[in-house]
Parts: sequence; structure tokens; C-alpha cells
Amino acid sequence: DTGVSQDPRHKITKRGQNVTFRCDPISEHNRLYWYRQTLGQGPEFLTYFQNEAQLEKSRLLSDRFSAERPKGSFSTLEIQRTEQGDSAMYLCASSFRASGEFLYFGPGTRLTVL
Amino acid sequence: LAKTTQPISMDSYEGQEVNITCSHNNIATNDYITWYQQFPSQGPRFIIQGYKTKVTNEVASLFIPADRKSSTLSLPRVSLSDTAVYYCLVAQTGANNLFFGTGTRLTVIP
Repeated sequence: DTGVSQDPRHKITKRGQNVTFRCDPISEHNRLYWYRQTLGQGPEFLTYFQNEAQLEKSRLLSDRFSAERPKGSFSTLEIQRTEQGDSAMYLCASSFRASGEFLYFGPGTRLTVL
Repeated sequence: LAKTTQPISMDSYEGQEVNITCSHNNIATNDYITWYQQFPSQGPRFIIQGYKTKVTNEVASLFIPADRKSSTLSLPRVSLSDTAVYYCLVAQTGANNLFFGTGTRLTVIP
């Protein structure tokens, strides 16, 4: 088990383009989370999946953001019509129990919108 | 979600014990206190979690007074590799929306 993986690790895009990130959680973890982190700030919750069901979404997740977890395994986060304010680190985490002790984060995808 | 307050930054020399205190005045009865560590360009990593009194593991100790309105993360004999941001979180078990705040940036000096 190599932990939570995210792809790509870095993405540079021009304003207005669409981008998609992938997260592969630790196998058999049924809970998957997306967080966003800007420079100098802590991670901010975006959304949560239990298996394939998206059960919670933050107000930060605007209409331009969509997340999926079609088979309850990997997840994708898509940002449409990117804006410079979307530049951030996008972190994925997974767990098998609802406790911070068992929450494992991936290395993140750093997005830069020019 | 209970709000937390931590020092923005701390410096310490190698080999010293470091104590980082977090205030959480409006902690609820069902809330647990969890600390995470984050290195640059990595996701946060769980350090320790507690509800009351004292918890110790191989990495750190967590001291929680009886009123639970604050907690102190204690790192014994820090090394340069402990330079990181440390986040104090307060949340109920089962909460999916964790609030990290800005954390404490610890710099260990040789």
C-alpha cells in the first residue's frame, strides 16, 4: 500500500481552461475528501464522498467545480473555466473510519492559473 | 465547528522541548482535539488525538486540562526535520468537514 496518490502533481494552465485532477485513495478506504490550500493558509474542506456518493459539499465548491467518484474507488476533481483565484494546492484524503486519526492525505496537486 | 487559536510561528533550537498551545474556548462535549503536521509540498499528517488529560505516542504528547478549553502539543527534543506547520483541530468524531485554521509554523534552528 503506497498511500494516497494524486495526479498530476503540478498543473499550469491559462485562465479559462478546464482542468481535471485525479486522486487514488488507499485501497479499501470508503471515505474520500477533497481540500484546497492556498499559500499561508490551512487546508479548506471542499467535498466528501462515502463510496460513490457525494455526501457533503462546501460553499467553496462553486458551480465551476465538480467532483466524482464513479466506482467508489478513484475520484476526479474538475474545474471549468479556471480563474486566477483557483490557484492553490488541491489535496485529497481518504479514510476507512470517521476519525481524524485515520485520515491520510495525498501529496496534492498544485494548480497555477496564469 | 469549534474555532481554534494558535501562535502563528515559533522558533526552537535543536534538542529542545517544544510546546505549542491551542485555544478552543467553545469546544463541545463531543469534540476531540487532533493535531496534524504538514511539511512543504506535502499533505498534512496525523500526529496525535485526545479528548482529555494526557495522551502520549512515539511522536508527541498532548496535554488537555480539565476544562478542555485549550490543549498543548509537546514535541520532545526537536530536530531540524520537525520544522513544519502544526495544526490544531477540534471536531466531533465522524465530522467530515475539518477546519484547519492557519496553524503554527515551527522552525527548528541548528
